[in-house]
Amino acid sequence: GAGVSQSPRYKVTKRGQDVALRCDPISGHVSLYWYRQALGQGPEFLTYFNYEAQQDKSGLPNDRFSAERPEGSISTLTIQRTEQRDSAMYRCASSLTSGAGQETQYFGPGTRLLVL
Amino acid sequence: LAKTTQPISMDSYEGQEVNITCSHNNIATNDYITWYQQFPSQGPRFIIQGYKTKVTNEVASLFIPADRKSSTLSLPRVSLSDTAVYYCLVTTGGFKTIFGAGTRLFVKA
Repeated sequence: GAGVSQSPRYKVTKRGQDVALRCDPISGHVSLYWYRQALGQGPEFLTYFNYEAQQDKSGLPNDRFSAERPEGSISTLTIQRTEQRDSAMYRCASSLTSGAGQETQYFGPGTRLLVL
Repeated sequence: LAKTTQPISMDSYEGQEVNITCSHNNIATNDYITWYQQFPSQGPRFIIQGYKTKVTNEVASLFIPADRKSSTLSLPRVSLSDTAVYYCLVTTGGFKTIFGAGTRLFVKA
């Protein structure tokens, strides 16, 4: 595809349910990032992958949040036992390389999660 | 990671040059300075990146003094469509990326 895609674009769920958010990065991009963005705030880093390896998950709020990228391409962010405070826009980004701070991150359209 | 500080908001008029300054006093030797633009309901979009001195592309210029403790994003002759949030980041390749709250630029007719 031409850009980063995310699905679903919108997700409404009830408190206590598990949700899985999918990110399909630009083909060939090595690095993949997950962010959470509250209304009026900047993106908040959650986790980062280099190929299939999760290099940094220090931004995951708690152990209900997990992410994987098993084949180094598509990634899934899973939130277990959702809570209302998890409601936010979840954004994924990918970059061609992972070195030296020069890489450009390309963002997807995001998944708007609403927990009732 | 170097923390960045930038104005919360700025107003301008169409056709004016807009300069947004970002402070990053603790920038490390390996850090690059990157600016992103975000429109409502869209993800951030890369604008420009630099390490030192001046960088210019078709969208903006980035001025970085010798000590690299600050940087200035310059948008020439803004239009209404430049109304957006602008984020200044320092990036060290493949690590946690901190966006901050950004600067909300509002361009008026």
